Amino acid sequence: GAVVSQHPSWVICKSGTSVKIECRSLDFQATTMFWYRQFPKQSLMLMATSNEGSKATYEQGVEKDKFLINHASLTLSTLTVTSAHPEDSSFYICSQNSQGQETQYFGPGTRLLVL
Amino acid sequence: TQLLEQSPQFLSIQEGENLTVYCNSSSVFSSLQWYRQEPGEGPVLLVTVVTGGEVKKLKRLTFQFGDARKDSSLHITAAQTGDTGLYLCAYSSASKIIFGSGTRLSIRP
Repeated sequence: GAVVSQHPSWVICKSGTSVKIECRSLDFQATTMFWYRQFPKQSLMLMATSNEGSKATYEQGVEKDKFLINHASLTLSTLTVTSAHPEDSSFYICSQNSQGQETQYFGPGTRLLVL
Repeated sequence: TQLLEQSPQFLSIQEGENLTVYCNSSSVFSSLQWYRQEPGEGPVLLVTVVTGGEVKKLKRLTFQFGDARKDSSLHITAAQTGDTGLYLCAYSSASKIIFGSGTRLSIRP
C-alpha cells in the first residue's frame, strides 16, 4: 500500500493566492521529507529538504520565501506556494526515506494550475 | 546542467520491439537507481545498481552499471504498451535523490 500520501491531488487557483500542499507519511515517522517540482515533459527537480522541528534546506535557485515548508510533526510536511503565479503551475511531489534510509518513497503528486 | 544525462529524450516504438536507454555522466557514483513514472503519479523505484559492471534483470528489463560506475543502461526486451512511461535514472547524495533528465518512452500497440 501507499507509504506517502499527498493532498490535494490537484488544485486550481487564481494568480496571487496561496496554496498549501500536504505530504503525509502513512507507515512510519519521517524526520526528513523532500519536495520536488516537475514541469511538463521534464524530470523531477529537488526543491528542498524538509526537516522535522527545524528549518527546511532549500536547493540553489529556490526561493524560500515563496515556497514555505513546515514540518511540524513526524508524519506531516506542508509546502505553501505563496502568491502563486502561472509560472508556478507544476506537478509537486514529496518523498521520504525508508526507515533504513535505503529506499525513498514518493507521494502521488499534486498538480497545481495557477490561472 | 544535469549531472545525469539520459538519452534519448523521447522514444516511440512498436510493441514487441527491443530498446535501450542510457544514463551518462562524467562523475563516478557509488550506486545508481532507475525509476519509472507514469502520468499523474510519483516515480517508482525499479532497481539499484551498486557494483561496476553489474547486471540486474527485472523480467523483461535488464539494467547494467558501467564498469567505471559513471553510466548505466536499461534494455527492454519485447516492449509492451504497459512499459510506457518516463524512465529516470538517479543518484543519492546525502539522502537526497537527484534525478537525471529522463527518457519518455511510448510503446505503440
